[in-house]
Amino acid sequence: GAVVSQHPSWVICKSGTSVKIECRSLDFQATTMFWYRQFPKQSLMLMATSNEGSKATYEQGVEKDKFLINHASLTLSTLTVTSAHPEDSSFYICSVEYPIGNEQFFGPGTRLTVL
Amino acid sequence: AQKITQTQPGMFVQEKEAVTLDCTYDTSDQSYGLFWYKQPSSGEMIFLIYQGSYDEQNATEGRYSLNFQKARKSANLVISASQLGDSAMYFCAMRDVRGSGYALNFGKGTSLLVTP
Repeated sequence: GAVVSQHPSWVICKSGTSVKIECRSLDFQATTMFWYRQFPKQSLMLMATSNEGSKATYEQGVEKDKFLINHASLTLSTLTVTSAHPEDSSFYICSVEYPIGNEQFFGPGTRLTVL
Repeated sequence: AQKITQTQPGMFVQEKEAVTLDCTYDTSDQSYGLFWYKQPSSGEMIFLIYQGSYDEQNATEGRYSLNFQKARKSANLVISASQLGDSAMYFCAMRDVRGSGYALNFGKGTSLLVTP
């Protein structure tokens, strides 16, 4: 099965700084990747669809200027949380849809804590 | 619009017993896919099982089986012979079109605790 990596696995930052999270598809090229956010004790909520070579599409209520997504290659998508605030503290997890079959593969997630 | 409902916030089961986690869904799509994922405390999402709406048989993967009742719009996960390592959050999800691919729309999840 496909392997998806994320870096970093956790990050602590000061309020007002920007944080970049990387999602890599290690086994195959992915034209589409997805970013989810999970607050403690809650479910995963889709934030945006990352499209290789074009702009990301954001879910309703997700600020595109706050959560910058870049999908510059077929194996890498990055999510940058700009001017992070404590309310942005969450678990961010990416996924890649495998081209064969129905499975979606998730990265291990990045736990962001904003002080 | 889709809706995934998991009505059991938490469940207990004794080791070696079977347990059923409930999931109901609502969609206007004729063709759809349903998933179950396990999320241990580490946070990783582990794929368990998939059921397509046109699959004639209920999906099974080892100790996991999906009780798919299309008319009732339910897709319950059955875990047989529970093990202590099965303690985790379990999410039911439905495939949702996004651009050229499919994202997942998740239910709120059920926390399962397996006791000795």
